[in-house]
Amino acid sequence: KNQVEQSPQSLIILEGKNCTLQCNYTVSPFSNLRWYKQDTGRGPVSLTIMTFSENTKSNGRYTATLDADTKQSSLHITASQLSDSASYICVVSWRGSQGNLIFGKGTKLSVKP
Amino acid sequence: NAGVTQTPKFQVLKTGQSMTLQCAQDMNHEYMSWYRQDPGMGLRLIHYSVGAGITDQGEVPNGYNVSRSTTEDFPLRLLSAAPSQTSVYFCASSRGGGRGETQYFGPGTRLLVL
Repeated sequence: KNQVEQSPQSLIILEGKNCTLQCNYTVSPFSNLRWYKQDTGRGPVSLTIMTFSENTKSNGRYTATLDADTKQSSLHITASQLSDSASYICVVSWRGSQGNLIFGKGTKLSVKP
Repeated sequence: NAGVTQTPKFQVLKTGQSMTLQCAQDMNHEYMSWYRQDPGMGLRLIHYSVGAGITDQGEVPNGYNVSRSTTEDFPLRLLSAAPSQTSVYFCASSRGGGRGETQYFGPGTRLLVL
């Protein structure tokens, strides 16, 4: 069964600290992996998209890594800010019919002053 | 560009009532989709469209209808609302079929069915 598992479920860090969120997937055949940020009460916003051949991709203070062999991805946030408080969702696309995105349940990050 | 817009923002329905959730995008995107988001679960695909006149079912289509008469609009209809349809609904659009294309989400519609 195609699944996307994220850890931890929630995380609290102090402003200025770094953190890493994890994503493991069993989706096959794999097409690409995405990370979204979802602020409370808003729709998800795309951070990165990585294909099979890409190992890392950055978007400002956000850096995503992908290991397609072990089917693992991570999202590293550097020098966290209060505005980073949100849910971060890992999404995997598989090469099948249209409408083929599998969403993780997300990691809820709280950045405290 | 307004991006993806959804109306209404909030809605309360009684069991058995019908309603239409509106979604529009001004980016000339071919691909549009509807998701529902429930506590403790990932977003789940309800219906999607790869272009005007073409729609297909997603993971959880029962109780919902869609149509795509124009590129810009993709309304979601609840035929006879049930408490199990209480959720937050998101519309999304992308230039292509979703594989590698950035998806843009609307702000969501919160629906409560009593």
